[in-house]
Amino acid sequence: NAGVTQTPKFQVLKTGQSMTLQCAQDMNHNSMYWYRQDPGMGLRLIYYSASEGTTDKGEVPNGYNVSRLNKREFSLRLESAAPSQTSVYFCASSDRDRRNYGYTFGSGTRLTVV
Amino acid sequence: AQSVTQLGSHVSVSEGALVLLRCNYSSSVPPYLFWYVQYPNQGLQLLLKYTTGATLVKGINGFEAEFKKSETSFHLTKPSAHMSDAAEYFCAVSLMDTGRRALTFGSGTRLQVQP
Repeated sequence: NAGVTQTPKFQVLKTGQSMTLQCAQDMNHNSMYWYRQDPGMGLRLIYYSASEGTTDKGEVPNGYNVSRLNKREFSLRLESAAPSQTSVYFCASSDRDRRNYGYTFGSGTRLTVV
Repeated sequence: AQSVTQLGSHVSVSEGALVLLRCNYSSSVPPYLFWYVQYPNQGLQLLLKYTTGATLVKGINGFEAEFKKSETSFHLTKPSAHMSDAAEYFCAVSLMDTGRRALTFGSGTRLQVQP
């Protein structure tokens, strides 16, 4: 099925460990996004990539890095995990076509940092 | 910069009653507006969206929303609540005509449906 695939679905890290969250889309979308979801705060944008080869900071980029590996893949890296990064992470993609404008979300990665 | 305010973090209705979830936005350019639903431990599912054209938008599961530019609002309604509507609902805005198209979300409204 076409969509956005995130891996892993669950992860537990110790403080200071690093990891990369993977995201891939097969809809030929130009733009991709990483959000984090915390209770009572909705989803907040971490980084986004308007097109292949470009990335920009969102609302809460500190402690994260991203790589737009190609048009399909957009990864999120935590270099030194902190308990404050315990959250649910969502990847999304979108198209520029105004007629079909919309966003497709992955199923999320639940990350716990202890 | 755009922002979204959802009035009421928790809303409780009886089964069969009207559902009204409020959303107000601020934007310096014409916005694109969205409502998403999230069931427990799941991802986000699009309910409906407004981009251009008709201001009353119909979505899935009997939901609809009306874009009111003068009130900067995009409230979500459903005439008759069903137990299966219990979930968290998010209003979101994006600015299509700018280089930044990322969605900005409200903080969410948790809908409880009483039998």
